[in-house]
Amino acid sequence: AQSVTQLDSHVSVSEGTPVLLRCNYSSSYSPSLFWYVQHPNKGLQLLLKYTSAATLVKGINGFEAEFKKSETSFHLTKPSAHMSDAAEYFCVVSDLGGATNKLIFGTGTLLAVQP
Amino acid sequence: KAGVTQTPRYLIKTRGQQVTLSCSPISGHRSVSWYQQTPGQGLQFLFEYFSETQRNKGNFPGRFSGRQFSNSRSEMNVSTLELGDSALYLCASSLVGLAADTGELFFGEGSRLTVL
Repeated sequence: AQSVTQLDSHVSVSEGTPVLLRCNYSSSYSPSLFWYVQHPNKGLQLLLKYTSAATLVKGINGFEAEFKKSETSFHLTKPSAHMSDAAEYFCVVSDLGGATNKLIFGTGTLLAVQP
Repeated sequence: KAGVTQTPRYLIKTRGQQVTLSCSPISGHRSVSWYQQTPGQGLQFLFEYFSETQRNKGNFPGRFSGRQFSNSRSEMNVSTLELGDSALYLCASSLVGLAADTGELFFGEGSRLTVL
């Protein structure tokens, strides 16, 4: 069965320092993986997606993620955090066409950015 | 291009009442899916509608229902409200329905339901 695990529920960084949000996945076949971001009192927005093309995926707002099959990971990174990056981030694996036929969301990582 | 619009944004109900939430997808999008978001359970899939037909359903009791109209607008209804139904209900639309190689959803800002 498909699943995702976000390893940190909260991450706090200082403005201008790197961001690392960790996500491990479990999949019986080559997965499609996504990162979504949710700012306070807003809906979710797609940051980036991996669909078996390049393993390093670039997204919006300077974020990128690397698909590592050997480590079953899809960590989200950004070289330099900005105050506006403070939000909740969700790692998502697709089970569309699979047993559940839906997107499976992680539990979220709340990113705080300190001035 | 207008985004996904959900109404109402906030509402308060009491136990036993029912509630109807509305979602207008992005123009041209034919798929609408609904999610319940709570601090304890995170994002839980409720159901997906495509061209007025329910294509997929999550693990929620029958008190949760939905429908989609010919203009792709969707409503979800929760009957006999319970305290545990307090949540942010998110609607998401996509162009041609969910597919394994896309998974891109466009979310509304949600309807925050409080059940007292």
